[in-house]
Amino acid sequence: SYVLTQPPSVSVAPGKTASITCGGNNIGTISVHWYQQKAGQAPVLVVFDDSDRPSGIPERFSGSKSGNTATLTISRVEAGDEADYYCQVWDSSSAHVVFGGGTELTVL
Amino acid sequence: QVQLQESGPGLVKPSQTLSLTCTVSGGSISSGSYYWSWIRQPAGKGLEWIGRIYTSGSTNYNPSLKSRVTISVDTSKNQFSLKLSSVTAADTAVYYCARASRRGLDYWGQGTLVTVSS
Repeated sequence: SYVLTQPPSVSVAPGKTASITCGGNNIGTISVHWYQQKAGQAPVLVVFDDSDRPSGIPERFSGSKSGNTATLTISRVEAGDEADYYCQVWDSSSAHVVFGGGTELTVL
Repeated sequence: QVQLQESGPGLVKPSQTLSLTCTVSGGSISSGSYYWSWIRQPAGKGLEWIGRIYTSGSTNYNPSLKSRVTISVDTSKNQFSLKLSSVTAADTAVYYCARASRRGLDYWGQGTLVTVSS
């Protein structure tokens, strides 16, 4: 089945830029969505269709893809961005949703 | 504003069937091109997709759970439900319901903890 690979953790200083990667075979050909999950809360969609933002999500959150890797970029990181981040795709070959393993973002 | 709320027993005995319901408010479950989904998360672990149902009744399930999962919809009550049979301790998790479209899972319930224990 389709596998999405994320780094377990990323650390960044406040005000800097955080990049969270999501690797998958031929990921360039399918839509990638990203979720933010703060401690004790339900996930929130922050980027859909690779690079679009839902209403209410700050412009500091952006998504991109290159080759077999999708990236969530958080600019001007704030303490409140500390959370787990998950990428997600639809695996059409087996007709199911696939999540990456998640990345814990720590703001130093 | 669409809202989803999970409900059901918080404790299920091993080998029994876990049953949860998700009530949708702020919009009709029948309107739009949406899939109504279940996702779970064991404590300290990542998200695991369980399955989804379209308002037509068509379903897709995680292959790893397919033999034990049934998702159904009751449009008259604006609800959809999850049944997971033959549960074990490994099924202990927070269970979320969510609305899905081509644009991802855009609305989530707050989640409900289900513990499998005798």
